[in-house]
Amino acid sequence: AAGVIQSPRHLIKEKRETATLKCYPIPRHDTVYWYQQGPGQDPQFLISFYEKMQSDKGSIPDRFSAQQFSDYHSELNMSSLELGDSALYFCASSLGSSPLHFGNGTRLTVT
Amino acid sequence: QKEVEQNSGPLSVPEGAIASLNCTYSDRVSQSFFWYRQYSGKSPELIMSIYSNGDKEDGRFTAQLNKASQYVSLLIRDSQPSDSATYLCAVTRIQGAQKLVFGQGTRLTINP
Repeated sequence: AAGVIQSPRHLIKEKRETATLKCYPIPRHDTVYWYQQGPGQDPQFLISFYEKMQSDKGSIPDRFSAQQFSDYHSELNMSSLELGDSALYFCASSLGSSPLHFGNGTRLTVT
Repeated sequence: QKEVEQNSGPLSVPEGAIASLNCTYSDRVSQSFFWYRQYSGKSPELIMSIYSNGDKEDGRFTAQLNKASQYVSLLIRDSQPSDSATYLCAVTRIQGAQKLVFGQGTRLTINP
């Protein structure tokens, strides 16, 4: 069965650079979520989109923005990167009331 | 106080025994409850979902929900070394597509 696809799997950036993470949800899923998981931490909700519209917002820094496109893929844009942004970034998708299914994540390292 | 609380462990259980993982939540309006398994560096994988009071069994896994006590648990029977992972409890406020709020996770080790 198709799963949530994230790219890239690994990303290394320097401080103050920008990064773009991509997410392709499971086909026909109508909601996409972004989570950030720091080392030894639980996943923290950043933002979600339902039918291409932002549906909820969590602890997402102002330096980050996200959008969902007409083909339902989503991108998380991160600017002015800081060392503390180093984390695993997970995308998840769901359909209606179905549970969330997570992608394999993007490991971002900021040096 | 975190909205979802778990004992961070580590919890060590001998192979073949029952592993018991516990989770409490603070928001009484929480509606949906999930257990995810996460191997180090990997994504959370859904193990169980439960929406109403009582027990729900799926193979070696049993989820238990007590809304009056705001408590949800996961039992793993006949524990295997491959069950060694971090188990994340997660809740949503509304049954449906809503953001998950995670506990800090319990690290479980099954000893052969």
